[in-house]
Amino acid sequence: NAGVTQTPKFQVLKTGQSMTLQCAQDMNHEYMSWYRQDPGMGLRLIHYSVGAGITDQGEVPNGYNVSRSTTEDFPLRLLSAAPSQTSVYFCASSYRDRGANTIYFGEGSWLTVV
Amino acid sequence: DAKTTQPNSMESNEEEPVHLPCNHSTISGTDYIHWYRQLPSQGPEYVIHGLTSNVNNRMASLAIAEDRKSSTLILHRATLRDAAVYYCILTRGGGADGLTFGKGTHLIIQP
Repeated sequence: NAGVTQTPKFQVLKTGQSMTLQCAQDMNHEYMSWYRQDPGMGLRLIHYSVGAGITDQGEVPNGYNVSRSTTEDFPLRLLSAAPSQTSVYFCASSYRDRGANTIYFGEGSWLTVV
Repeated sequence: DAKTTQPNSMESNEEEPVHLPCNHSTISGTDYIHWYRQLPSQGPEYVIHGLTSNVNNRMASLAIAEDRKSSTLILHRATLRDAAVYYCILTRGGGADGLTFGKGTHLIIQP
């Protein structure tokens, strides 16, 4: 059972380049989200989706785009990379359990912008 | 979402129970209490969640105070693999719009 799969695991970008972090889940979860984690900090929510065709902004959405054309996939696009976007990115999917969402996270994508 | 307060770090011995506290004095009636943990270089992992009643699962137990202003995550018999950062998180309603992570408690397990 793959769970939440993120690619690539490591990436180095030059300032101004664009790229897409891929995320796929095989658990048929309605909810998906993207977080970033800076050194020594907790995770911060970038964007989330409550179902195919529906996305919304989280705490730190600037510089990132998302789309949700299928239940399984939720790619995160960096439009014009900046050094401040150097971080570890986690994709997550979740389902409703006893009234609350139980969230499964991917293994992370380490991004360095130089 | 309401704020939580956790100790920065705690230390325990292997094979002993661990009680991780979390204060949430401004919790509202519809706030769920969630616990996640993060091992080094990994994504966070769901541990347990609850609303009003104590909860048990294969990983841990969640003890919720009667006034809901605090809760305790209980690891019944700690192993070295339980060394991680533990996050106590509240969500308004079910948390479909994501989680707000604080700095958590860094749990150190001594062999």
